[in-house]
Amino acid sequence: GAVVSQHPSRVICKSGTSVKIECRSLDFQATTMFWYRQFPKQSLMLMATSNEGSKATYEQGVEKDKFLINHASLTLSTLTVTSAHPEDSSFYICSARGGLPYNEQFFGPGTRLTVL
Amino acid sequence: AQKVTQAQTEISVVEKEDVTLDCVYETRDTTYYLFWYKQPPSGELVFLIRRNSFDEQNEISGRYSWNFQKSTSSFNFTITASQVVDSAVYFCALSEEDTGNQFYFGTGTSLTVIP
Repeated sequence: GAVVSQHPSRVICKSGTSVKIECRSLDFQATTMFWYRQFPKQSLMLMATSNEGSKATYEQGVEKDKFLINHASLTLSTLTVTSAHPEDSSFYICSARGGLPYNEQFFGPGTRLTVL
Repeated sequence: AQKVTQAQTEISVVEKEDVTLDCVYETRDTTYYLFWYKQPPSGELVFLIRRNSFDEQNEISGRYSWNFQKSTSSFNFTITASQVVDSAVYFCALSEEDTGNQFYFGTGTSLTVIP
């Protein structure tokens, strides 16, 4: 149980385009979802926390107008990278909380974004 | 301040050697959880273990073992008889109740097992 999926697993786009990444909890209701970004050879950095039906809370330094997060249902959250630039190229990982044990986060497989 | 410190950035061992990955954490919370994850080159985080602050028993799972010592705020991970498939980046993480169970990740230790 407690499976989280992400789609797409890999995306390549041109600079200036927008990219949407989906995060789904497959077998539980995720009351909270988290989005992380990981640059090569670095750790995971939390970008934002979203609760279903509420606006996301962004970490300091993360532009909320550039990284749009929508958590419209208990099983789906989306991250849209607007007007992507090469410096946005990274590995994006989502996690979800709501399965058992309740206070644990279950991680998706990640999405590798490359902006040309 | 870094809540989770993994001082070893990179480790290389020869196959069949034992290796210990260090993790030191910092928290004022009395209820917290510690985790270890493995991240192979594919990128997907693989959950290895979860420990709560009230359970200091060491744990063994096959070739993996964990030593949790609250007195030194450490949660070290040992791989016995390492194998090439153990090559990956390993992350230690802390989750505190007081901060809404937000995860704090260490910087990771890259382990290379040489055949």
